[in-house]
Amino acid sequence: GAVVSQHPSWVICKSGTSVKIECRSLDFQATTMFWYRQFPKQSLMLMATSNEGSKATYEQGVEKDKFLINHASLTLSTLTVTSAHPEDSSFYICSARAGGVGELFFGEGSRLTVL
Amino acid sequence: AQSVTQLDSQVPVFEEAPVELRCNYSSSVSVYLFWYVQYPNQGLQLLLKYLSGSTLVKGINGFEAEFNKSQTSFHLRKPSVHISDTAEYFCAVSEVNAGNMLTFGGGTRLMVKP
Repeated sequence: GAVVSQHPSWVICKSGTSVKIECRSLDFQATTMFWYRQFPKQSLMLMATSNEGSKATYEQGVEKDKFLINHASLTLSTLTVTSAHPEDSSFYICSARAGGVGELFFGEGSRLTVL
Repeated sequence: AQSVTQLDSQVPVFEEAPVELRCNYSSSVSVYLFWYVQYPNQGLQLLLKYLSGSTLVKGINGFEAEFNKSQTSFHLRKPSVHISDTAEYFCAVSEVNAGNMLTFGGGTRLMVKP
C-alpha cells in the first residue's frame, strides 16, 4: 500500500514554544490529508481536514490559531502546535487519501510531550 | 452524523483461541466500514474494509468481518489468534460521499495470552 510518513516521531518541548509536525505522502499525491489526536488509551479524534492549496477545515472545538495546518504541496501537510502547553501533550496522527474509495493511509504518529 | 460503538474496551483471549471484536454503527445514510489495527506507538494499519458487494470481507493476518445491515454491525473475527495479534483495534465508518472522513469507535484492546 501507499506510504505516509510523519516526522518527528517523538518530540519534547518546553511550555510556550511551538512545534511543527510534518506529514508526507511518499509515493503518491494527496490532495486531502487528515489530522487526528489520540489521548492515551482512547480513540482517534479528528482535528482537521487539510486540503492542498486551501485553508484547512477544523472540527468543532479545535482552535485553529493554536493548531496551524498548512498543506502547501500535494505530498506535504504540516501541523504546528503554537505556544504549546502540557495539556497539548498527545499522540498526533495524520492520514492521507490515495485516491480510491476507502484508500486512506496513516502515518506512524508523532508523540508530543510538553514540559 | 454517524457514530461507532465498540462494546468491549478489552478482550483477553488465550493463544490459538477464536476471537470476535464487536462493532456497531449508527448512520442515516449508506456507509463504508473499516477495521484498523494499532500497535504501541504506531499509526493505524488497515485490516479490511467493506465498501459494497459480499457482506463477508476477508482482510490481512487471517481476520475477517461480516457486515450486517439489519443489525448495523461489522464484527471482526479470527478463528485462531497469535500472541502477535495483541494490539488495539479500531472500527471506523465513513458515510458514502463523505470524502473518506472517518469516525472511529473507542477501540478494543485485544490481549492474547500464552
